Amino acid sequence: DAGVIQSPRHEVTEMGQEVTLRCKPISGHNSLFWYRQTMMRGLELLIYFNNNVPIDDSGMPEDRFSAKMPNASFSTLKIQPSEPRDSAVYFCASNIQGVSGNTIYFGEGSWLTVV
Amino acid sequence: KQEVTQIPAALSVPEGENLVLNCSFTDSAIYNLQWFRQDPGKGLTSLLLIQSSQREQTSGRLNASLDKSSGRSTLYIAASQPGDSATYLCAPFSGGYNKLIFGAGTRLAVHP
Repeated sequence: DAGVIQSPRHEVTEMGQEVTLRCKPISGHNSLFWYRQTMMRGLELLIYFNNNVPIDDSGMPEDRFSAKMPNASFSTLKIQPSEPRDSAVYFCASNIQGVSGNTIYFGEGSWLTVV
Repeated sequence: KQEVTQIPAALSVPEGENLVLNCSFTDSAIYNLQWFRQDPGKGLTSLLLIQSSQREQTSGRLNASLDKSSGRSTLYIAASQPGDSATYLCAPFSGGYNKLIFGAGTRLAVHP
């Protein structure tokens, strides 16, 4: 399997612009996670989906952030409008959710810089 | 709310040493715990996953133990090598539904 695929790998955008990050989970996985990593705050869970349904979005920082999962093989994380403090690495991850959990696999990340 | 602490925050050792990385978590109601490795500028790679019913898990030179009742996990790295240099993160599954919470990590440097 190709693993979790994220795009774009790197993006530099101006403040106020809309940013869309994309993720393709591993085929057969039914849970998908969006994380953000910064030096100051480390890795933070933003939102996760199970069977395409958002289960917990309590980590989404504010209304400027939104995430969708229209089908089992695709998810987007959108920031509109973007701000410099949104600069971070955004990771997508997936697994097969079970009673005792299963190994989570991470993508290579989308490195976002907002200037 | 689950809080995860990793000690030490950074470690620099000569090649060949046996290492101990510590992880503690406040909510012992976890399903399992996962250890990851992150290289600079890269994503996370899963190293080991210990189920809550297990005491330890081994993979090559890595051994992870779990004491769920006391909220602790330890990652042992035997005969460290320069290629082990990376940040190591622990993450217990908690929150009742597939939720992975990360520690800040231990930044390891192994020099020749």
